[in-house]
Amino acid sequence: KAGVTQTPRYLIKTRGQQVTLSCSPISGHRSVSWYQQTPGQGLQFLFEYFSETQRNKGNFPGRFSGRQFSNSRSEMNVSTLELGDSALYLCASSLAEGFTDTQYFGPGTRLTVL
Amino acid sequence: GNSVTQMEGPVTLSEEAFLTINCTYTATGYPSLFWYVQYPGEGLQLLLKATKADDKGSNKGFEATYRKETTSFHLEKGSVQVSDSAVYFCAQEGLTGGGNKLTFGTGTQLKVEL
Repeated sequence: KAGVTQTPRYLIKTRGQQVTLSCSPISGHRSVSWYQQTPGQGLQFLFEYFSETQRNKGNFPGRFSGRQFSNSRSEMNVSTLELGDSALYLCASSLAEGFTDTQYFGPGTRLTVL
Repeated sequence: GNSVTQMEGPVTLSEEAFLTINCTYTATGYPSLFWYVQYPGEGLQLLLKATKADDKGSNKGFEATYRKETTSFHLEKGSVQVSDSAVYFCAQEGLTGGGNKLTFGTGTQLKVEL
């Protein structure tokens, strides 16, 4: 069974631009969560989607948004990029919503904002 | 709010040495607790979890016991291998204003040498 895939793996943008990252969960998984990983802030939860609905969200500004499609694939969008948005963005999928079910992480998308 | 504190790294050990990585949490109630591992260039993998007090999670020789009296979930392994070199993250599931989320510690890098 294929694992969680994220595209693109690397991305370079400039300040003020917007970016869309994609995540394809493991087949059959309906929950997708997104995390931001930076050296300074560590791993921070962005949001969780289940059955096309946002179930939970972290403490990020409205520039960070996401959505989930009927096939459970998810995208996250960051508008008006800032230098501080440079990070590794990780996506995780699981069968059920919530976190006690095992989450499987993708390799991440490395975003660099210049 | 909820937080997770884990010992700073890097931790450098010789092969076959005993490992302890300390983790304490602050939370309302009794959250589920997790240890994740991140190998270089990869996403996170769930190592073990415990969903209630006094539970012991174990996997691949690693163990951690949920201690509510000390609000701790220390990771231990009796004999580490070079292949255990990675970054280890302690995490808890807890309620926030936006629903449940995973809160991570800052990560502890483990280096195992021959």
